[in-house]
Amino acid sequence: GENVEQHPSTLSVQEGDSAVIKCTYSDSASNYFPWYKQELGKRPQLIIDIRSNVGEKKDQRIAVTLNKTAKHFSLHITETQPEDSAVYFCAAPGSARQLTFGSGTQLTVLP
Amino acid sequence: DTGVSQDPRHKITKRGQNVTFRCDPISEHNRLYWYRQTLGQGPEFLTYFQNEAQLEKSRLLSDRFSAERPKGSFSTLEIQRTEQGDSAMYLCASSGKTSVTGELFFGEGSRLTVL
Repeated sequence: GENVEQHPSTLSVQEGDSAVIKCTYSDSASNYFPWYKQELGKRPQLIIDIRSNVGEKKDQRIAVTLNKTAKHFSLHITETQPEDSAVYFCAAPGSARQLTFGSGTQLTVLP
Repeated sequence: DTGVSQDPRHKITKRGQNVTFRCDPISEHNRLYWYRQTLGQGPEFLTYFQNEAQLEKSRLLSDRFSAERPKGSFSTLEIQRTEQGDSAMYLCASSGKTSVTGELFFGEGSRLTVL
């Protein structure tokens, strides 16, 4: 099955700085890579996703890059704000369209 | 609210008791997933339904766990003879009628505490 590894487990940045979270996956057939944000006590919610036919996707301050050869993808958040503080999870599809999640990155944006 | 709803939100039980959780997915979604999340970890896949058919079950899922989706709408997850290691957040998610993997819409979860 799919194995997803995520780094770092914690990340602190100053407000306004950029944050980068990286994930690697094992199944070369995986073709869909979402990122979920989970605020304390809340449900995970999709913030951005990318399919394997593109190398980069941007949505305002958030971007995801994909390197299929190296089997890794990254989340980039620019101009971080305090409301970006949360746990971020990457994921990749296993069989039957279920997602395998990484272990999460606790992002703290310091004012 | 037309999102995924789960009930109960919190359940405290004694070891050895049975518990059942219910999930109501977004009405037009035909795929339904159960995940388990422990503190500091990502959601861990338990099982998956397409309509009423249970198509996949994690190898990590013990025989004490069973899930149903009898009419292809709501789903239940039952844990028999609960153990302290079953304490976790149980998340339900649904996704729509597409032929490719897409966004999962999660419920708020059912938190289980086994004493």
